[in-house]
Formats: sequence, structure tokens, C-alpha cells
Amino acid sequence: EAQVTQNPRYLITVTGKKLTVTCSQNMNHEYMSWYRQDPGLGLRQIYYSMNVEVTDKGDVPEGYKVSRKEKRNFPLILESPSPNQTSLYFCASSATGETQYFGPGTRLLVL
Amino acid sequence: QQQVKQSPQSLIVQKGGISIINCAYENTAFDYFPWYQQFPGKGPALLIAIRPDVSEKKEGRFTISFNKSAKQFSLHIMDSQPGDSATYFCAASMRGQNFVFGPGTRLSVLP
Repeated sequence: EAQVTQNPRYLITVTGKKLTVTCSQNMNHEYMSWYRQDPGLGLRQIYYSMNVEVTDKGDVPEGYKVSRKEKRNFPLILESPSPNQTSLYFCASSATGETQYFGPGTRLLVL
Repeated sequence: QQQVKQSPQSLIVQKGGISIINCAYENTAFDYFPWYQQFPGKGPALLIAIRPDVSEKKEGRFTISFNKSAKQFSLHIMDSQPGDSATYFCAASMRGQNFVFGPGTRLSVLP
């Protein structure tokens, strides 16, 4: 089944404790992206990647890192999480950069 | 300007009625305008999309109307059904890269 998977689905952590949210797709898509969703703000793009080793900042990249060492994986790294990074995070992939397929989401709470 | 404005914030429609959601953008470099549908606990899913060289696109009960000169586009859902109850997001992107989403519209279709 073609899909985008994210792990973990739920995460509670404390301020400053490094964490990684994994994202994997099995559709051989070139384009991958990370978003955060907050009430009243819609989805805001954090980082995107057009191909392996090619990443670029979205609208809200501060406090986040990404890497794209393999086509199928695009992990999101929070080196020192803060409470304002409490949010619902979505990974997405696309073959063309247009039609995006979203993962199920990761709900993060930073205490 | 990267912002995409969306209205209304919420919408209640009777079964069989027409649901209309409006979006406006500023950046004339945007060249792809998708609409996403999101059910509770799920990731967004592409519903329909349009490019600025077309004024209207219809897929089943869903139609996008696009007004390039006014920098506005809208989603019309004909014969709205209770199963259409979801949150709808408009978005815009340049060359399939940096995506900007509207804040979302929560649609409730009453039986």
C-alpha cells in the first residue's frame, strides 16, 4: 500500500530534550515536506526537500533541522524543543511537487 | 506576500445545499492552487487543484473558480452531504515548492 508513515504518532517530552520524528514514504517520491498545524493558523511549512541531499527552508524553520540522506526518509529533528513547538506535525511527499500525500500526523507536547 | 487568506472560518450548510469557501492571495508568482480536505485525526488529502491559466475546474460535486485579476479562488461543493463535513484548506505554491496554506474552514453539513 502506497503510504507516508510517521513515528511516533504521539510524543510528550520536556524542554531541551532532543527528539526526532521520522517520516518514510514508499512511493519513490522526489519531494518531501514537513508542516506544523496549529488552530487558526492552518498548516505552515517548516522544511522541504526536492531530492536527496537537497533541502530548503519553509516559512517556519526556526528550531528545526532536517536531513535527506535517502529518498524514502525525511526525519525532522528538534535539537532543543521548547513549549512553543507543541503542535501537530505532518510529513508529506509528492512525485511532482504538486499533489502531496500526507502522513497521519505526530502530536507533540513539550512541557 | 506569502499569506493566503481564507473565509469563512466555519460554515454550516443543510444537506443538499451549496458550500462556498473563498481564498485570496497576494503573491502573483503562485502558479498552483490546491484544495485539501481533512477529517478529524487524519492528514489532509488533496481534493482538487487548479492552475492560473484556467478559470474553472470541476470534479464531480467539487468546483474551483479562479479569478486571476482579483487574486481570488473559491471552492464550491454542490449538493453538500453530511460526509463532506470536514476542514477544508486552500493553498498556493510556486513551482511546486514552497506551499502556503490558508487557516482552514470547518464545514458542517446538517442531515
